[in-house]
Amino acid sequence: EVQLVETGGGLMQPGGSLRLSCAASGLSVSNNYMTWVRQVPGKGLEWVSVIYTSGKTYYIESVKGRFTISRDNSKNTLYLQMDSLRAEDTAVYYCARRGNNLNDYFFDYWGQGTLVTVSS
Amino acid sequence: QSVLTQPPSVSAAPGQKVTISCSGSSSNIGNHYVSWYQQLPGTAPKLLIYENNKRPSGIPDRFSGSTSDTSATLGITGLQTGDEADYYCGTWDSSLSYVIFGGGTKLTVL
Repeated sequence: EVQLVETGGGLMQPGGSLRLSCAASGLSVSNNYMTWVRQVPGKGLEWVSVIYTSGKTYYIESVKGRFTISRDNSKNTLYLQMDSLRAEDTAVYYCARRGNNLNDYFFDYWGQGTLVTVSS
Repeated sequence: QSVLTQPPSVSAAPGQKVTISCSGSSSNIGNHYVSWYQQLPGTAPKLLIYENNKRPSGIPDRFSGSTSDTSATLGITGLQTGDEADYYCGTWDSSLSYVIFGGGTKLTVL
């Protein structure tokens, strides 16, 4: 059974940093396209970032230069380092596995999410 | 405002059928597979449909997906109160170069 468990969310002041973790079981983060998707409470879903099996990473424009996606294969854990946080980054952050073919743009396994609140 | 347009809400009676539309363009739905997600209150999204019309293991055949040109439709038959949730469509957008989602549709089973 696949499980993705996110931790690391919380309340942070604007300009601060947080690191989210997503511990995986039942799948290997290094052998899958792993992503972060966020959702402002009461609003829709927004894709944030992906790390491919090759290690290549991509980000939505609004977080480029501020967020960094990475993985630790030995811990089978996905990370999202969030720096220079802004109020508009407030959201529930989900880690999710994307389909592993290049033309697969669906997400079949999701974590339970972790809430990040950016406020002074 | 989302690139993919969904109706904010739909409703139907138990046992009835409902459809949820997702309208896009040639840079997304017109040329890429669509997926659909169900999000029950307070939970993470769950994949219902992928590659336009395929159901993951465990998803009942009451749920179906279809596409036509630059639009996609999710159909749900035999509505149950447990189907009350938010539903999202998603696909790749080749102009934006990332996955996009519709704004979501709240299904109420009256």
